[in-house]
Amino acid sequence: DTEVTQTPKHLVMGMTNKKSLKCEQHMGHRAMYWYKQKAKKPPELMFVYSYEKLSINESVPSRFSPECPNSSLLNLHLHALQPEDSALYLCASKPTLRGSRNNEQFFGPGTRLTVL
Amino acid sequence: AQTVTQSQPEMSVQEAETVTLSCTYDTSESDYYLFWYKQPPSRQMILVIRQEAYKQQNATENRFSVNFQKAAKSFSLKISDSQLGDAAMYFCAYRSVAGGGADGLTFGKGTHLIIQP
Repeated sequence: DTEVTQTPKHLVMGMTNKKSLKCEQHMGHRAMYWYKQKAKKPPELMFVYSYEKLSINESVPSRFSPECPNSSLLNLHLHALQPEDSALYLCASKPTLRGSRNNEQFFGPGTRLTVL
Repeated sequence: AQTVTQSQPEMSVQEAETVTLSCTYDTSESDYYLFWYKQPPSRQMILVIRQEAYKQQNATENRFSVNFQKAAKSFSLKISDSQLGDAAMYFCAYRSVAGGGADGLTFGKGTHLIIQP
């Protein structure tokens, strides 16, 4: 299994809703990432988990709450979002072992989020 | 902090021709990784090619090759024999080695590649 899956593919939510995005991989990767991508822009790093511990938070507002319950699963909990948070949310994973063949981040297909 | 610059917002090439996408970056680190990712309209990010900074030899993957100039901090992508399936947004990306292997990627703004049949 060499893929990263993300659910749901599309999500529409109101500003008062609470929702969660899910990311899963079964490649044994111990580094997992959340990126946010606005239309016609590059992905921007939000969070990095390494061995199920949060290692990087790129000053993301607290209305985004990441969680890594086990080595295969990464969640992003959403609460009280703003319309400007509408974007494509990409999950990625990577092996943490050193070596040139372990440098690739594998991306999921993303969740298209619309906040009304 | 590292920055990645792609100065070509859009490029167009005839099918079967060769096209080169440019990328420059700024860093004070001596060891790092560089990547070209492709993102078609289906939005799945796909790795095209990778380059380790400590390697002088330019990476190649079938029709894709890079021209890595470390001193000039330049990392261009050459696509030979362009095919319709190459049409996509291409992102140049940088990753530091210093973070113990778990650092995120810093992306350039992207180049939209159009293939003319």
